[in-house]
Amino acid sequence: DAGVIQSPRHEVTEMGQEVTLRCKPISGHDYLFWYRQTMMRGLELLIYFNNNVPIDDSGMPEDRFSAKMPNASFSTLKIQPSEPRDSAVYFCASSLRGGWNSPLHFGNGTRLTVT
Amino acid sequence: GNSVTQMEGPVTLSEEAFLTINCTYTATGYPSLFWYVQYPGEGLQLLLKATKADDKGSNKGFEATYRKETTSFHLEKGSVQVSDSAVYFCALNLLTGGGNKLTFGTGTQLKVEL
Repeated sequence: DAGVIQSPRHEVTEMGQEVTLRCKPISGHDYLFWYRQTMMRGLELLIYFNNNVPIDDSGMPEDRFSAKMPNASFSTLKIQPSEPRDSAVYFCASSLRGGWNSPLHFGNGTRLTVT
Repeated sequence: GNSVTQMEGPVTLSEEAFLTINCTYTATGYPSLFWYVQYPGEGLQLLLKATKADDKGSNKGFEATYRKETTSFHLEKGSVQVSDSAVYFCALNLLTGGGNKLTFGTGTQLKVEL
C-alpha cells in the first residue's frame, strides 16, 4: 500500500494568494483528517470526514479555510487568501473506520510558508 | 474538556540508556490511549496503544501501561538507540458520535547520542 499521499511537499507563496493542499487517503479508509502542526500550537485537528462527508470542522481557523472531499480517494484543503500566520506543516491522515481502535495513518505533510 | 500533558523536551540520552517520557491525561469518560512517533520529515506513525485500564501496549521495545488511578500512560524503553531519535506524541481518543477524534499532547523530542 502506498500510504497517504500528500502534495505538494513544500509550498511557498505570498500573502494574499490562494493555496490548495491535496491528499489521497489509503484505499478503503472511511475517515480522513486534516491536521496543522506548528511549534507554538502543536498538532491541531482542523476537520475530518467520514465517507466523504464533513463531520466536524470546529477546528477550522476561519472562513479563509475550506476543505472538500469530492470522492473517497481525494481531498483538498484550501486557504484563500493566505496569511503569514498560516505557515505550518499540514498533515492529512486516514483511518479504516471510526472508533477508538482504528489507528490514524499520516501522510508526510505539506510544509507551507507564506511570506 | 479532554487534554494530554507531556513532559517537555528535548530529552537527550546516551545510547543504551533507559527512557521514560511522562504522559498524563484528563478526559470526560473512558479513553483509549496512544503513543505516536514522528521521525524527521515524516508524518506520525502509531507506536503503541492501550484501550482499557492496566493494559500494556508494546512495540519495538517500547512499552506503556494504562494507569487509570493516576491518569497516566508513560512511555518507557529499556535501552534506546540512535535510531529512536524522533518526536513522541501521547494521544487519547474518546468515541463521540462515531468519530475518531484524537487529542494529542505537544510532543516530546528525543535525541539519542552515541
